[in-house]
Amino acid sequence: GESVGLHLPTLSVQEGDNSIINCAYSNSASDYFIWYKQESGKGPQFIIDIRSNMDKRQGQRVTVLLNKTVKHLSLQIAATQPGDSAVYFCAENSGYSTLTFGKGTMLLVSP
Amino acid sequence: DTGVSQDPRHKITKRGQNVTFRCDPISEHNRLYWYRQTLGQGPEFLTYFQNEAQLEKSRLLSDRFSAERPKGSFSTLEIQRTEQGDSAMYLCASSDLSVSYEQYFGPGTRLTVT
Repeated sequence: GESVGLHLPTLSVQEGDNSIINCAYSNSASDYFIWYKQESGKGPQFIIDIRSNMDKRQGQRVTVLLNKTVKHLSLQIAATQPGDSAVYFCAENSGYSTLTFGKGTMLLVSP
Repeated sequence: DTGVSQDPRHKITKRGQNVTFRCDPISEHNRLYWYRQTLGQGPEFLTYFQNEAQLEKSRLLSDRFSAERPKGSFSTLEIQRTEQGDSAMYLCASSDLSVSYEQYFGPGTRLTVT
């Protein structure tokens, strides 16, 4: 049957393309942001983080960009692979070192 | 592997019953967090511990929810008098703030209330 609540924004790409996933955050006082990847039936898995005193941070095949002026985060995945297919969440440090998660974006990678 | 573990992975219960979930964090992590995740949504923060002290519990969903971490190691989350609306994935995470803010998540406990 239909799963109620599964109205995630979806990004469909071809294997080898670059992917960009966007996130708007709510608290201008947040000082730390994380991107998580969540595969079906599993807990979120850390991808990359960035502090508010930075605009850009690079990891292996991933880059996070932070625009504090418009409270916007993006995750760029280079040379996307089928194994990258998952739901991606941004999260912000909302005080007490607890995290507030965004709604999530589903990434679908076709071979 | 010494990642975060949760038990059970799945729980089906009848409305009105009590359930308890267990989380074992990464051993050197002094912070432990509980989140709830419903289908299509991001995890929603419930409560957290610094060692055995519960430092934030105002975000627990109702007084039917309670959590403990008696010895500063494993933690339990109990839901009393379960309701169908409690059906969700319950996630545990741990962190070591002396290293980073990164939270390491367990696989979750999927609760279904019938």
